[in-house]
Amino acid sequence: GDSVTQTEGLVTLTEGLPVMLNCTYQTIYSNPFLFWYVQHLNESPRLLLKSFTDNKRTEHQGFHATLHKSSSSFHLQKSSAQLSDSALYYCALSDSPSNTNKVVFGTGTRLQVLP
Amino acid sequence: EAAVTQSPRNKVAVTGGKVTLSCNQTNNHNNMYWYRQDTGHGLRLIHYSYGAGSTEKGDIPDGYKASRPSQENFSLILELATPSQTSVYFCASGDQGWDTQYFGPGTRLLVL
Repeated sequence: GDSVTQTEGLVTLTEGLPVMLNCTYQTIYSNPFLFWYVQHLNESPRLLLKSFTDNKRTEHQGFHATLHKSSSSFHLQKSSAQLSDSALYYCALSDSPSNTNKVVFGTGTRLQVLP
Repeated sequence: EAAVTQSPRNKVAVTGGKVTLSCNQTNNHNNMYWYRQDTGHGLRLIHYSYGAGSTEKGDIPDGYKASRPSQENFSLILELATPSQTSVYFCASGDQGWDTQYFGPGTRLLVL
C-alpha cells in the first residue's frame, strides 16, 4: 500500500537558518497528491500546502515544496526559520482525487527553532 | 471557515469500560475520518466514512467501531477500552481524496 517516510523525528536549528524537512513516498499510482500539514503545540493539524504537479514549486506562508515524481519526494523548505515555525510537520499522500480515497500520513517531524 | 467540533475534549475511562467519542462538522463534507495521534507513530487512520450510513476500516481498526448516523455526525466507539488506547484522537472532514482535511480540536483519552 501507499506509504510516506519522514526520516527526521526532530530537527533543531537556530532562528534565521534555512529549513528543510524531508519527505519521500511510495505509491503505485502515477498522479499522487502530496500535502504538508502543520500542528502547533496544543492545536490541531492544519493544511500548510499541497501539490500534484510534477516539478512545480508550491508556496505558502514562506514555506515551499516541489513535488519530484522521479525521486518520489516532496521536501518542505523555508529560507529563514522563525521561532514561530516551531511545530510538528506532517507529510501526507493521497493517490487519487476520488471521493472514496483516504490520505496516508507520515510519522511527523518536530521542528524546534531556537533563538 | 470549516468547522469540526469534538466531544468530550478530555476523557478518563476505566479498562473494560465503553467510551464514545463524538464529532460534528458543519462543512457539509461527505468524508469524515477518525485518527489517533501517538508520538513516533504520527496520525494513524482508524475509521472513515463517505457519507451517512457508511463506515470503512482504516489502518488500525481493531478495538474500535464507528457510526455515521448523519452527514454531520461521526462517532468512534471503544466497546472495551484498554490502556493501549490511551491517546489523542482527532476527527477530520473533507470532500475528496485530494481535498484539504479539516481537523477538530482533538480528544485526550486516558484509559486506566
